[in-house]
Amino acid sequence: LAKTTQPISMDSYEGQEVNITCSHNNIATNDYITWYQQFPSQGPRFIIQGYKTKVTNEVASLFIPADRKSSTLSLPRVSLSDTAVYYCLVGDMRNTPLVFGKGTRLSVIA
Amino acid sequence: NAGVTQTPKFQVLKTGQSMTLQCAQDMNHEYMSWYRQDPGMGLRLIHYSVGAGITDQGEVPNGYNVSRSTTEDFPLRLLSAAPSQTSVYFCASSGRTGGSNEQFFGPGTRLTVL
Repeated sequence: LAKTTQPISMDSYEGQEVNITCSHNNIATNDYITWYQQFPSQGPRFIIQGYKTKVTNEVASLFIPADRKSSTLSLPRVSLSDTAVYYCLVGDMRNTPLVFGKGTRLSVIA
Repeated sequence: NAGVTQTPKFQVLKTGQSMTLQCAQDMNHEYMSWYRQDPGMGLRLIHYSVGAGITDQGEVPNGYNVSRSTTEDFPLRLLSAAPSQTSVYFCASSGRTGGSNEQFFGPGTRLTVL
């Protein structure tokens, strides 16, 4: 299983763009990069997934360099409601279950 | 669709008691899983199932049993509760279609073992 490393915590002011980087040096050829968001007292929620280059949806963007050894989740213009823990996962659920690390605790300050 | 439902929401047990945490999904998903989350920690996989009749162990399976007799239901049984099993338990399901790693999580069961 590919191991991921991400910062334990980050702080940001409202309205700023937040970039959370995840390192996954031993990512396998078939692995996808997936990000989840978890609010207090709730289960995680899928945000975005990508394989290479850039993926964008209504919530976030995911940037993946050519070597795929890292990825960056970008949250545009965060608000207080974006305060949550963000998990980076690497793998393909068709082959093996996903493993959650400790995630990055993002605190958005007014 | 109700999505993924879990019962009960809260439970207090005494050491040595047994109980079953219920999980059901109405999305016809093949894949279901159970995680536990201790305070300030990430989620750890207990057991998972890739379809009815098929289950497998995750990272922390000891002290737990599962079965998958139907596509919809995936109960988690605590055989003899211990204080170390105090945690929040999340059930999840996924269709795993087209390479998607999207899992849908239930609201969780908060378990305290005294």
